[in-house]
Amino acid sequence: EPEVTQTPSHQVTQMGQEVILRCVPISNHLYFYWYRQILGQKVEFLVSFYNNEISEKSEIFDDQFSVERPDGSNFTLKIRSTKLEDSAMYFCASSQQGAATEAFFGQGTRLTVV
Amino acid sequence: QKEVEQDPGPLSVPEGAIVSLNCTYSNSAFQYFMWYRQYSRKGPELLMYTYSSGNKEDGRFTAQVDKSSKYISLFIRDSQPSDSATYLCAMSAGAGNNRKLIWGLGTSLAVNP
Repeated sequence: EPEVTQTPSHQVTQMGQEVILRCVPISNHLYFYWYRQILGQKVEFLVSFYNNEISEKSEIFDDQFSVERPDGSNFTLKIRSTKLEDSAMYFCASSQQGAATEAFFGQGTRLTVV
Repeated sequence: QKEVEQDPGPLSVPEGAIVSLNCTYSNSAFQYFMWYRQYSRKGPELLMYTYSSGNKEDGRFTAQVDKSSKYISLFIRDSQPSDSATYLCAMSAGAGNNRKLIWGLGTSLAVNP
């Protein structure tokens, strides 16, 4: 069964450092998303991406965040200068036709900023 | 008022029980209603979705949407220990193809053998 793959599963970084979270979406999917879940809080939408550009982003997705599809298979989330409050589970999702109803989620990357 | 509210539980039931999970919402523009299951340290897995009002059944799972009351439910019949997980409701307004999901907090369910 096709699946969304995220690496690493756990990333520890020092405050102020840059991190890149990587995702390999399902191969025939065209729409890509990043969500995050701070421990004990709701899953929050960060950004959606289609046709090599951002379709929508939340207020959380400020200038410290960027996304990229550097090749035909990877989808990355970069945080330029991490803050303690960036510590969370980050989930990548993809869908074929863009309907949020059919989005498949990866296992998540746990980011810990110390 | 929060957009989506969900009682976090925990909810503990014996094996075989009928489980009822619920969410309320405030945004009348929501049209797509989803239920996800999340096991510990895993990503959310889509269980069911419903468009607008009505019921949808899939095996032991039934999803109900009451738009007049802004209330959605997920029923699990003949619950099994393998159903133990966190159940999250999520909703979207349905504008365009990049509909972002608005999530509930999730309800932690434990089904005891």
